[in-house]
Amino acid sequence: NAGVTQTPKFQVLKTGQSMTLQCAQDMNHNSMYWYRQDPGMGLRLIYYSASEGTTDKGEVPNGYNVSRLNKREFSLRLESAAPSQTSVYFCASSDPYRDRGETQYFGPGTRLLVL
Amino acid sequence: AQTVTQSQPEMSVQEAETVTLSCTYDTSESDYYLFWYKQPPSRQMILVIRQEAYKQQNATENRFSVNFQKAAKSFSLKISDSQLGDAAMYFCAYRRGNNDMRFGAGTRLTVKP
Repeated sequence: NAGVTQTPKFQVLKTGQSMTLQCAQDMNHNSMYWYRQDPGMGLRLIYYSASEGTTDKGEVPNGYNVSRLNKREFSLRLESAAPSQTSVYFCASSDPYRDRGETQYFGPGTRLLVL
Repeated sequence: AQTVTQSQPEMSVQEAETVTLSCTYDTSESDYYLFWYKQPPSRQMILVIRQEAYKQQNATENRFSVNFQKAAKSFSLKISDSQLGDAAMYFCAYRRGNNDMRFGAGTRLTVKP
């Protein structure tokens, strides 16, 4: 049981390049999330998906797109990377049906550097 | 918008001693959840403890306990018998419905041997 996995662990991009961050969970959770973490700040929600086939914007969605490919996978795409998107990205999942409190379980993070 | 404030950017504690990390939050809701997450140098976010707002009893998990003051909107974390492995960033988080989770800026805890 791997929990939440993310790929890649680290990536360097040039301004204007695109890339997709991958996330998968094996806990059969319905809800999945993408956060970014910047120095001196807590995590901020980019997008979330309450169930397969649905996605919603979080606090900082600009410059990002997401896809909930199936129940297990939730990807985050940067179409045209900007230096302001340099950050550590975390994926998380939770299960509102088995846990009313919806504790979120996090992946190990992806460190992204945009030059 | 709900906000979470951690007023202590850094704290230090002697090994085996007790330390309390502070957290306050702003909300007009009555039903919500509060969490403390630990982030060691590996960057992995690890759940330490959580509290349901409708429960009056403070949550406890082994050496970790909280002091939840709902009227004061305060949610502090007490770590007893501190260990070297407790050294990490600690984030307080608030969640009500609709997947709306808000994190504080974090407190860096150093444990001195």
